[in-house]
Amino acid sequence: GAVVSQHPSWVICKSGTSVKIECRSLDFQATTMFWYRQFPKQSLMLMATSNEGSKATYEQGVEKDKFLINHASLTLSTLTVTSAHPEDSSFYICSASGAVPRVVQYFGPGTRLTVT
Amino acid sequence: GIQVEQSPPDLILQEGANSTLRCNFSDSVNNLQWFHQNPWGQLINLFYIPSGTKQNGRLSATTVATERYSLLYISSSQTTDSGVYFCAVGWGAGGTSYGKLTFGQGTILTVHP
Repeated sequence: GAVVSQHPSWVICKSGTSVKIECRSLDFQATTMFWYRQFPKQSLMLMATSNEGSKATYEQGVEKDKFLINHASLTLSTLTVTSAHPEDSSFYICSASGAVPRVVQYFGPGTRLTVT
Repeated sequence: GIQVEQSPPDLILQEGANSTLRCNFSDSVNNLQWFHQNPWGQLINLFYIPSGTKQNGRLSATTVATERYSLLYISSSQTTDSGVYFCAVGWGAGGTSYGKLTFGQGTILTVHP
């Protein structure tokens, strides 16, 4: 149980375009979803926290207008990278909590974004 | 914010060896999770262990919350154990900080056949 999926697994886009990444909890209701970014050979950095039906809370230094997060239902959150630039290239990982115990986060497989 | 330190940063083992990974944290926590990140980037939950001891097959973990550290033991290591091991801690009794995790820098484990 407690499976989280992400789509797409990898995406290549041109500079200036927008990309949407989906995160779904498959077998539990995700009261909270989290979005992380990971650079090569580095740790995970939390970008934002979202609760279903509420606006996302962004970490300091994360541009909310560039990284749009929507948590429209208890099983789906989306991250849209707007007007992507090469420096936005990274590995983006979502997680979800809400299964028992409720604080435990379960992670999706990640999305590798390359902006050319 | 809370600081998380993992040691050692790198660990190279021969198959069959045992190892201990350590995670120190700077403040009280109510969530501690150990993860294994495989070569494809997937984070696999190993343990949720804010305190006490748990075992799952060849892996076990102990968290001494009063002394702010956690240990992950890997026995009889296999090549498939290779990857990065992360410790992540969380704090907060409610509000916007509840459930957030801060990750350590990880331990890169390489197991040779």
